[in-house]
Amino acid sequence: QKEVEQNSGPLSVPEGAIASLNCTYSDRGSQSFFWYRQYSGKSPELIMSIYSNGDKEDGRFTAQLNKASQYVSLLIRDSQPSDSATYLCAVLTSGTYKYIFGTGTRLKVLA
Amino acid sequence: GAVVSQHPSRVICKSGTSVKIECRSLDFQATTMFWYRQFPKQSLMLMATSNEGSKATYEQGVEKDKFLINHASLTLSTLTVTSAHPEDSSFYICSARDSGEVLHFGNGTRLTVT
Repeated sequence: QKEVEQNSGPLSVPEGAIASLNCTYSDRGSQSFFWYRQYSGKSPELIMSIYSNGDKEDGRFTAQLNKASQYVSLLIRDSQPSDSATYLCAVLTSGTYKYIFGTGTRLKVLA
Repeated sequence: GAVVSQHPSRVICKSGTSVKIECRSLDFQATTMFWYRQFPKQSLMLMATSNEGSKATYEQGVEKDKFLINHASLTLSTLTVTSAHPEDSSFYICSARDSGEVLHFGNGTRLTVT
Protein backbone atom coordinates (compact mmCIF):
# COMPACT_ATOMS: atom_id res chain seq x y z
CA GLN A 1 0.00 0.00 0.00
CA LYS A 2 1.59 3.23 -1.11
CA GLU A 3 1.12 5.88 1.51
CA VAL A 4 1.59 9.56 2.12
CA GLU A 5 1.83 10.69 5.71
CA GLN A 6 1.24 14.13 7.16
CA ASN A 7 0.77 15.45 10.66
CA SER A 8 -2.90 16.39 10.92
CA GLY A 9 -2.23 19.37 13.16
CA PRO A 10 -3.55 21.90 13.76
CA LEU A 11 -0.33 23.79 13.36
CA SER A 12 -0.70 27.24 14.83
CA VAL A 13 1.72 30.02 13.97
CA PRO A 14 1.56 33.75 14.61
CA GLU A 15 1.08 36.13 11.72
CA GLY A 16 4.38 36.91 10.02
CA ALA A 17 6.07 33.70 11.16
CA ILE A 18 7.30 30.81 9.04
CA ALA A 19 5.02 27.79 8.83
CA SER A 20 6.70 24.46 8.15
CA LEU A 21 4.63 21.58 6.82
CA ASN A 22 6.05 18.10 6.39
CA CYS A 23 5.18 15.01 4.41
CA THR A 24 6.70 11.54 4.02
CA TYR A 25 5.89 8.98 1.38
CA SER A 26 6.47 5.28 1.01
CA ASP A 27 6.85 4.79 -2.76
CA ARG A 28 10.56 5.17 -3.37
CA GLY A 29 10.00 5.27 -7.13
CA SER A 30 7.83 8.40 -7.03
CA GLN A 31 9.19 11.31 -9.02
CA SER A 32 6.51 14.00 -8.83
CA PHE A 33 5.29 15.78 -5.73
CA PHE A 34 2.68 18.43 -5.16
CA TRP A 35 1.35 20.71 -2.46
CA TYR A 36 -2.28 21.75 -2.51
CA ARG A 37 -4.21 24.11 -0.29
CA GLN A 38 -7.80 23.38 0.59
CA TYR A 39 -10.10 25.81 2.31
CA SER A 40 -13.03 24.38 4.23
CA GLY A 41 -15.81 23.31 1.89
CA LYS A 42 -13.75 23.99 -1.22
CA SER A 43 -11.73 21.83 -3.58
CA PRO A 44 -7.93 21.75 -3.49
CA GLU A 45 -5.90 24.33 -5.35
CA LEU A 46 -2.31 23.79 -6.46
CA ILE A 47 0.41 25.69 -4.64
CA MET A 48 3.54 24.09 -5.99
CA SER A 49 4.96 21.08 -7.73
CA ILE A 50 8.47 19.76 -7.24
CA TYR A 51 10.33 17.04 -9.08
CA SER A 52 14.03 17.37 -8.19
CA ASN A 53 15.88 17.18 -4.93
CA GLY A 54 16.46 20.51 -3.27
CA ASP A 55 14.44 23.66 -2.87
CA LYS A 56 11.96 25.34 -5.16
CA GLU A 57 10.74 28.82 -4.34
CA ASP A 58 7.62 30.62 -5.52
CA GLY A 59 6.84 33.86 -3.74
CA ARG A 60 6.31 33.17 -0.06
CA PHE A 61 6.32 29.42 -0.62
CA THR A 62 9.31 27.09 -0.71
CA ALA A 63 9.00 23.39 -1.39
CA GLN A 64 11.83 21.09 -0.34
CA LEU A 65 12.36 17.55 -1.60
CA ASN A 66 14.68 14.85 -0.35
CA LYS A 67 14.12 11.64 -2.27
CA ALA A 68 16.69 9.67 -0.29
CA SER A 69 14.75 10.36 2.89
CA GLN A 70 11.38 10.19 1.08
CA TYR A 71 10.50 13.53 2.52
CA VAL A 72 8.91 16.66 1.10
CA SER A 73 8.12 19.86 2.94
CA LEU A 74 6.50 23.22 2.38
CA LEU A 75 7.63 26.44 4.02
CA ILE A 76 5.35 29.46 4.10
CA ARG A 77 7.14 32.68 4.91
CA ASP A 78 5.43 35.73 6.37
CA SER A 79 2.33 33.67 7.14
CA GLN A 80 -0.97 35.49 6.82
CA PRO A 81 -4.36 34.70 8.35
CA SER A 82 -5.56 34.01 4.80
CA ASP A 83 -3.09 31.12 4.68
CA SER A 84 -5.18 29.32 7.28
CA ALA A 85 -6.33 26.18 5.49
CA THR A 86 -5.57 22.50 5.16
CA TYR A 87 -2.45 21.71 3.18
CA LEU A 88 -2.40 18.47 1.25
CA CYS A 89 0.72 16.69 0.11
CA ALA A 90 0.26 14.60 -3.04
CA VAL A 91 2.56 12.08 -4.65
CA LEU A 92 2.34 10.71 -8.17
CA THR A 93 3.12 7.07 -7.67
CA SER A 94 5.32 5.05 -9.95
CA GLY A 95 3.84 2.11 -11.78
CA THR A 96 0.16 2.76 -11.14
CA TYR A 97 0.52 6.45 -12.00
CA LYS A 98 -2.01 7.58 -9.43
CA TYR A 99 -2.03 10.64 -7.23
CA ILE A 100 -2.08 9.69 -3.58
CA PHE A 101 -2.94 12.37 -1.05
CA GLY A 102 -1.97 12.69 2.55
CA THR A 103 -4.61 13.40 5.16
CA GLY A 104 -3.55 17.04 5.22
CA THR A 105 -2.20 19.41 7.85
CA ARG A 106 -4.51 22.05 9.17
CA LEU A 107 -2.71 25.38 9.49
CA LYS A 108 -3.95 28.24 11.64
CA VAL A 109 -2.28 31.61 11.31
CA LEU A 110 -3.10 33.73 14.31
CA ALA A 111 -3.56 37.47 13.79
CA GLY B 1 -3.96 28.49 -16.26
CA ALA B 2 -5.67 25.15 -16.63
CA VAL B 3 -9.31 25.24 -15.61
CA VAL B 4 -11.54 22.35 -14.72
CA SER B 5 -15.25 23.00 -14.55
CA GLN B 6 -17.51 20.75 -12.49
CA HIS B 7 -21.31 20.84 -12.36
CA PRO B 8 -23.47 20.90 -10.43
CA SER B 9 -21.81 22.42 -7.38
CA ARG B 10 -24.55 21.24 -5.08
CA VAL B 11 -27.34 18.72 -5.46
CA ILE B 12 -29.98 17.37 -3.16
CA CYS B 13 -31.81 14.26 -4.25
CA LYS B 14 -34.11 11.66 -2.84
CA SER B 15 -32.98 8.18 -1.98
CA GLY B 16 -33.18 5.85 -4.96
CA THR B 17 -32.65 8.47 -7.64
CA SER B 18 -29.58 8.91 -9.82
CA VAL B 19 -27.36 11.94 -10.05
CA LYS B 20 -24.97 12.87 -12.85
CA ILE B 21 -21.93 15.05 -12.26
CA GLU B 22 -20.02 16.57 -15.17
CA CYS B 23 -16.35 17.44 -15.26
CA ARG B 24 -14.86 19.42 -18.11
CA SER B 25 -11.32 20.57 -18.82
CA LEU B 26 -11.88 23.98 -20.38
CA ASP B 27 -8.54 24.91 -21.88
CA PHE B 28 -6.61 21.70 -22.17
CA GLN B 29 -7.18 18.14 -23.22
CA ALA B 30 -7.21 15.53 -20.51
CA THR B 31 -6.82 11.91 -21.50
CA THR B 32 -7.01 11.01 -17.83
CA MET B 33 -9.36 12.35 -15.20
CA PHE B 34 -9.68 11.25 -11.60
CA TRP B 35 -12.73 11.17 -9.36
CA TYR B 36 -12.32 11.66 -5.63
CA ARG B 37 -14.70 11.59 -2.71
CA GLN B 38 -14.15 13.44 0.51
CA PHE B 39 -16.05 13.02 3.75
CA PRO B 40 -15.97 15.79 6.39
CA LYS B 41 -12.57 16.28 7.98
CA GLN B 42 -11.08 13.46 5.93
CA SER B 43 -8.69 13.43 3.04
CA LEU B 44 -9.40 12.86 -0.61
CA MET B 45 -10.12 9.26 -1.45
CA LEU B 46 -9.57 8.20 -5.04
CA MET B 47 -12.64 6.48 -6.42
CA ALA B 48 -11.65 5.83 -9.99
CA THR B 49 -9.41 6.79 -12.86
CA SER B 50 -11.24 7.80 -16.00
CA ASN B 51 -9.50 7.28 -19.32
CA GLU B 52 -10.79 8.78 -22.55
CA GLY B 53 -12.24 6.14 -24.82
CA SER B 54 -11.85 3.24 -22.44
CA LYS B 55 -13.36 1.84 -19.28
CA ALA B 56 -12.65 3.49 -15.98
CA THR B 57 -10.42 1.85 -13.42
CA TYR B 58 -12.06 1.67 -10.02
CA GLU B 59 -10.33 1.56 -6.67
CA GLN B 60 -10.87 -1.34 -4.35
CA GLY B 61 -14.17 -1.12 -2.57
CA VAL B 62 -15.79 1.25 -5.09
CA GLU B 63 -18.78 -0.30 -6.83
CA LYS B 64 -18.48 0.24 -10.55
CA ASP B 65 -22.17 -0.44 -11.11
CA LYS B 66 -23.12 2.20 -8.59
CA PHE B 67 -20.67 4.87 -9.68
CA LEU B 68 -20.82 4.94 -13.47
CA ILE B 69 -18.03 6.83 -15.16
CA ASN B 70 -17.98 7.86 -18.80
CA HIS B 71 -15.09 9.67 -20.44
CA ALA B 72 -16.42 10.20 -23.93
CA SER B 73 -14.11 12.97 -25.04
CA LEU B 74 -10.77 14.54 -24.20
CA THR B 75 -12.51 17.30 -22.25
CA LEU B 76 -15.46 15.64 -20.56
CA SER B 77 -15.91 12.95 -17.94
CA THR B 78 -19.13 12.20 -16.10
CA LEU B 79 -19.85 10.41 -12.85
CA THR B 80 -23.33 9.05 -12.29
CA VAL B 81 -24.29 7.97 -8.81
CA THR B 82 -27.02 5.43 -9.39
CA SER B 83 -29.74 4.62 -6.88
CA ALA B 84 -28.24 7.04 -4.40
CA HIS B 85 -28.61 6.45 -0.69
CA PRO B 86 -27.92 8.71 2.29
CA GLU B 87 -24.54 7.07 2.84
CA ASP B 88 -23.52 8.33 -0.61
CA SER B 89 -23.81 11.90 0.64
CA SER B 90 -20.36 13.38 0.28
CA PHE B 91 -18.20 15.92 -1.53
CA TYR B 92 -17.27 14.59 -4.97
CA ILE B 93 -14.35 16.22 -6.73
CA CYS B 94 -13.07 15.59 -10.21
CA SER B 95 -9.61 16.37 -11.43
CA ALA B 96 -7.75 16.34 -14.71
CA ARG B 97 -4.09 15.88 -15.40
CA ASP B 98 -2.42 18.26 -17.79
CA SER B 99 0.50 17.50 -20.07
CA GLY B 100 2.90 18.46 -17.31
CA GLU B 101 1.44 15.89 -14.87
CA VAL B 102 -0.09 18.57 -12.70
CA LEU B 103 -3.52 17.69 -11.35
CA HIS B 104 -6.17 20.38 -11.59
CA PHE B 105 -9.38 20.15 -9.61
CA GLY B 106 -12.94 21.09 -10.30
CA ASN B 107 -14.85 23.01 -7.64
CA GLY B 108 -16.51 19.88 -6.36
CA THR B 109 -20.09 18.71 -6.02
CA ARG B 110 -21.72 18.45 -2.64
CA LEU B 111 -24.25 15.64 -2.82
CA THR B 112 -26.93 15.27 -0.19
CA VAL B 113 -29.23 12.28 -0.41
CA THR B 114 -32.35 12.52 1.69
